[in-house]
Amino acid sequence: DADVTQTPRNRITKTGKRIMLECSQTKGHDRMYWYRQDPGLGLRLIYYSFDVKDINKGEISDGYSVSRQAQAKFSLSLESAIPNQTALYFCATSVAGLNTDTQYFGPGTRLTVL
Amino acid sequence: DQQVKQNSPSLSVQEGRISILNCDYTNSMFDYFLWYKKYPAEGPTFLISISSIKDKNEDGRFTVFLNKSAKHLSLHIVPSQPGDSAVYFCAAYRMDSNYQLIWGAGTKLIIKP
Repeated sequence: DADVTQTPRNRITKTGKRIMLECSQTKGHDRMYWYRQDPGLGLRLIYYSFDVKDINKGEISDGYSVSRQAQAKFSLSLESAIPNQTALYFCATSVAGLNTDTQYFGPGTRLTVL
Repeated sequence: DQQVKQNSPSLSVQEGRISILNCDYTNSMFDYFLWYKKYPAEGPTFLISISSIKDKNEDGRFTVFLNKSAKHLSLHIVPSQPGDSAVYFCAAYRMDSNYQLIWGAGTKLIIKP
C-alpha cells in the first residue's frame, strides 16, 4: 500500500463549488504539505502543518483552506473554486532530520474547474 | 521572481551516455539543495541532495555538483538508462524558513535506446 494517498485522483467541478481534497499517510510523519503544480512551473506551496495544532500559510494560500484532522490526515479545501485553480495538487509528508527535511509525495489530484 | 531556475525544459540523451541536468539559483542563503524525479501520474520522489557546505555528493549512478560562487548545481547520471526517463526537479530550502522548498520548473529527460 502507498504511504501517502490522495483522494480523489481526478475531479472536474464548476466555478463556485466547494471542493475538498484529502490526504492520508501511514508514514507516521509529523509534517504535511499541500502543493500545486501548473504547466511550466515548479511546485508551489499552498499550506503546511508541522503537527496537528500547527497550520502555516505557504506561498499561494489565497482561495484555499486546510484542516489537519489528525497526524495522518491533512485536507485542502477550495471554498469557491475558480478556473485558475485548475492544476495538479500534491500532498507531501516529512520528518525533520538533522539539517535535512526530505519530503515524500502522494500521487497527486488533477483538478479541473470549468 | 524565480529563485530556482531550470532553463532546459527537456533533454534527450542516448542510453549509456551521461545525462547532465542543470539548475541555477539566486538566493545565496539556501542551505540545502535536492533533486526529485517524477514519472507521469505519480508524485515526485526524492533522488539525491547536497548541503551548501559541500561541493559534491554521489549516490550510485547519480552525482550532484554544487558551485556556490556561480549559484549553480548540476545532476549527473552515468550511465543513463531507459528508466531514467522522467521529469527532474531541482529544489532548495533555507533552514530558517521552516524548510520551505522552492522548486524549479523541471527538466524532462528522455533516454533514447
